[in-house]
Amino acid sequence: NAGVTQTPKFRVLKTGQSMTLLCAQDMNHEYMYWYRQDPGMGLRLIHYSVGEGTTAKGEVPDGYNVSRLKKQNFLLGLESAAPSQTSVYFCASSQTSGPTDTQYFGPGTRLTVL
Amino acid sequence: QQQVKQSPQSLIVQKGGIPIINCAYENTAFDYFPWYQQFPGKGPALLIAIRPDVSEKKEGRFTISFNKSAKQFSLHIMDSQPGDSATYFCAASVHGNTPLVFGKGTRLSVIA
Repeated sequence: NAGVTQTPKFRVLKTGQSMTLLCAQDMNHEYMYWYRQDPGMGLRLIHYSVGEGTTAKGEVPDGYNVSRLKKQNFLLGLESAAPSQTSVYFCASSQTSGPTDTQYFGPGTRLTVL
Repeated sequence: QQQVKQSPQSLIVQKGGIPIINCAYENTAFDYFPWYQQFPGKGPALLIAIRPDVSEKKEGRFTISFNKSAKQFSLHIMDSQPGDSATYFCAASVHGNTPLVFGKGTRLSVIA
C-alpha cells in the first residue's frame, strides 16, 4: 500500500516548456487535489477532482490544466511554464464520505522554471 | 481573501515548553478544523482535527482548543520536543462540500 505517489520528484524546466506531473493513489479515494506550496504562502489549491472524469478549479488555477481519466490518477499539466510556477507541488487524496475529510498527501515535486 | 488566518509565522521554543499556534476564520459555515504537520522534504500529514460541537480535543501531547463565538481555534503542544520541529498548518472546510482551506503555516523550532 503505497498511499499517494508523485512523479517526478524533481524537475527543471526552461520558460515556455511543457510538462505533466503524475499523481497516483491506491486507496480508492474519490477526491484528488493539486496544491502548490511557496514560502510564506502556505498550501494553495490549484485544481481538484471529486471523481473520475471530473475536475474543478481551485484558488490558483491559471496556467495549469488537469485530467482525471482514471480514478487512481490525477495529472497536472503546465502547457507553457513560467518562472512564477517555480514551486513545490503536492498531490493529495481523500474519501468523499465519513466523519472526517482527511487528506493524504504525496511527497511532493520540486519544480524549477528558469 | 484569506479565509483562514494563522499566526505566528514562526515560533521558537525551548524543549518542554508549550508552543501555541492560533487560527481565525470568517466563514461560519466551516464545520471541520484539522491541523496538519509537515516535516522538511515531506508532504503534510493530518495531526489532529476538531468539530465545532466540542471546545477541546486532546490526542497525546497535542490539544486543539476551539472558540466558536470568537471564530478561533488553536493548537497547543505540551512538553514540546525537538522532534516536534516542523511546519504546522491549520485548515477548515464545510464537511463533504468544499475542499480544505489552509492557513499559511507556522514554522516551529523546538531547541534543546
